Amino acid sequence: DAGVTQSPTHLIKTRGQHVTLRCSPISGHKSVSWYQQVLGQGPQFIFQYYEKEERGRGNFPDRFSARQFPNYSSELNVNALLLGDSALYLCASSWGGWTEAFFGQGTRLTVV
Amino acid sequence: QKEVEQNSGPLSVPEGAIASLNCTYSDRGSQSFFWYRQYSGKSPELIMFIYSNGDKEDGRFTAQLNKASQYVSLLIRDSQPSDSATYLCAADTGGFKTIFGAGTRLFVKA
Repeated sequence: DAGVTQSPTHLIKTRGQHVTLRCSPISGHKSVSWYQQVLGQGPQFIFQYYEKEERGRGNFPDRFSARQFPNYSSELNVNALLLGDSALYLCASSWGGWTEAFFGQGTRLTVV
Repeated sequence: QKEVEQNSGPLSVPEGAIASLNCTYSDRGSQSFFWYRQYSGKSPELIMFIYSNGDKEDGRFTAQLNKASQYVSLLIRDSQPSDSATYLCAADTGGFKTIFGAGTRLFVKA
């Protein structure tokens, strides 16, 4: 079975631009969570979606938004990019809530 | 603010020794706890999860949970150089939010 897949794996954006990151969960998993990880720190919680509804939100500005589609895939959108948004963005999927969640390979975002 | 605290390390142990990694959490409502291993430049990989007080063993790994002390630990027996990585502790604080610690770097010397 395929694991969690994220796209793209790397991208470079300019300050002020918009970015969309995508995540496909493991087959059968209904929950997707998004995390931001900067170098030397643990992942910081951004959002959790379950059955297409937002169930949790971390302390991130409104520039960050997400959604989950009927097939349980998810998108993370970030508007008005700042240099500080440069990080590894991780998607994790689980069957429900947070039980045995598995991460994708991440998207490395660089804002210049 | 709900927090998960870990010693950043690095923790250095010789090959074959037991590595002991520790974690404390602030939210008494946390019910589930997870250990992830993260190699440099890679995404976190789930090693173990624990819900109940006591020990849980899986191969060379043992997770220990003490809810009264709000303490979680991970023991790695017969440590190998391939175990060298950052180990992340995470707590499900309820409310559909899981909090990670900053991680402990482990070096296993051959």
